[in-house]
Amino acid sequence: SQTIHQWPATLVQPVGSPLSLECTVEGTSNPNLYWYRQAAGRGLQLLFYSVGIGQISSEVPQNLSASRPQDRQFILSSKKLLLSDSGFYLCAWAGIYEQYFGPGTRLTVT
Amino acid sequence: AQSVAQPEDQVNVAEGNPLTVKCTYSVSGNPYLFWYVQYPNRGLQFLLKYITGDNLVKGSYGFEAEFNKSQTSFHLKKPSALVSDSALYFCAVRGENYGQNFVFGPGTRLSVLP
Repeated sequence: SQTIHQWPATLVQPVGSPLSLECTVEGTSNPNLYWYRQAAGRGLQLLFYSVGIGQISSEVPQNLSASRPQDRQFILSSKKLLLSDSGFYLCAWAGIYEQYFGPGTRLTVT
Repeated sequence: AQSVAQPEDQVNVAEGNPLTVKCTYSVSGNPYLFWYVQYPNRGLQFLLKYITGDNLVKGSYGFEAEFNKSQTSFHLKKPSALVSDSALYFCAVRGENYGQNFVFGPGTRLSVLP
């Protein structure tokens, strides 16, 4: 069966510091992968998606970037965090129809 | 373009009563429709989907949803609510001609009162 992991689970970082969030998927190959951000326990904002290694599409121009160095690894990064980057970050992979979500990373920028 | 509306920010229901969480959508072509549930500080859990066929689909934890093409709706229902159903619910749509990217609704917070 397929599983999706995210780490860290929680992170507190000062403004201006770098960020790296990691997402890995097991039990499937060449999945479409997604990064979402959820603010204040509400709606989801699609940040990036990837259809393969090295292929990244950005949905919203912002302070963040994404990379896919391996088939089942998706990384969200920032060189300098802003207060507005705080939120709950969710990684997902696409099955034939539905998407499956990881447990999320709670990021607080102080 | 695709869009999803969940007209109610909050739904309150007494335990044991039936519940309905509403969703309407807009998409070109045939829709693929989904419901997810999210508990605090957790990822989204898949509940059910409509792809084709029977308009009434059954999913996890006793939930079901009815696809209504003429009203472009996909309301989530459960005959008897449990306190443990209290959570945030998301409806999502994916048009068959739009690849695998979803559009999510803004979410509806369900509170089941004991």
